[in-house]
Amino acid sequence: DAKTTQPPSMDCAEGRAANLPCNHSTISGNEYVYWYRQIHSQGPQYIIHGLKNNETNEMASLIITEDRKSSTLILPHATLRDTAVYYCIVRAEYRDDKIIFGKGTRLHILP
Amino acid sequence: EPEVTQTPSHQVTQMGQEVILRCVPISNHLYFYWYRQILGQKVEFLVSFYNNEISEKSEIFDDQFSVERPDGSNFTLKIRSTKLEDSAMYFCASSGGLGSGNTIYFGEGSWLTVV
Repeated sequence: DAKTTQPPSMDCAEGRAANLPCNHSTISGNEYVYWYRQIHSQGPQYIIHGLKNNETNEMASLIITEDRKSSTLILPHATLRDTAVYYCIVRAEYRDDKIIFGKGTRLHILP
Repeated sequence: EPEVTQTPSHQVTQMGQEVILRCVPISNHLYFYWYRQILGQKVEFLVSFYNNEISEKSEIFDDQFSVERPDGSNFTLKIRSTKLEDSAMYFCASSGGLGSGNTIYFGEGSWLTVV
């Protein structure tokens, strides 16, 4: 079973920052937080991951709380193409550890 | 940017027929996976594969399913005798290349319809 809790859906106005929360209160010391998204019927797309420090790449920023029990994915300027289901996943650092998908958050970007 | 490619993008098959879904993982990756997604449901793990053998499989991955890496580039999922409930999107994924950490990258999927 997925070890994370996410709201089932969120809305965000186009051009605004989308902040997607995730709770992972049982995360272990060797587990990373990964974010993926799935745009309708496409393959899951990797966004970003982190262990304990905040991370930023060209797609998004990831803020992980100091106790590592929750995190927030930030899409700084949401566009209509960001409408998707976003998955927060905790995964061990072992090279072959699989991903277990939960239900994710369905993000609607409103024009 | 390297990507996982899958063929066919869509296949329609008769119930009871054998189906082979093909995947070309990212070239330097060492770990390979198959997932499936029934319409409207979650993405489900089927199997992981490393060093020419299955490293883990789910309850879904029964004797009707098999995987193979027949050469240095392809990774296949075979369903021996398809059932109506095998209709789903099947995603191939890979990870674990040198210098790329263990981030898993997914293909765009093969949509299987069993009639």
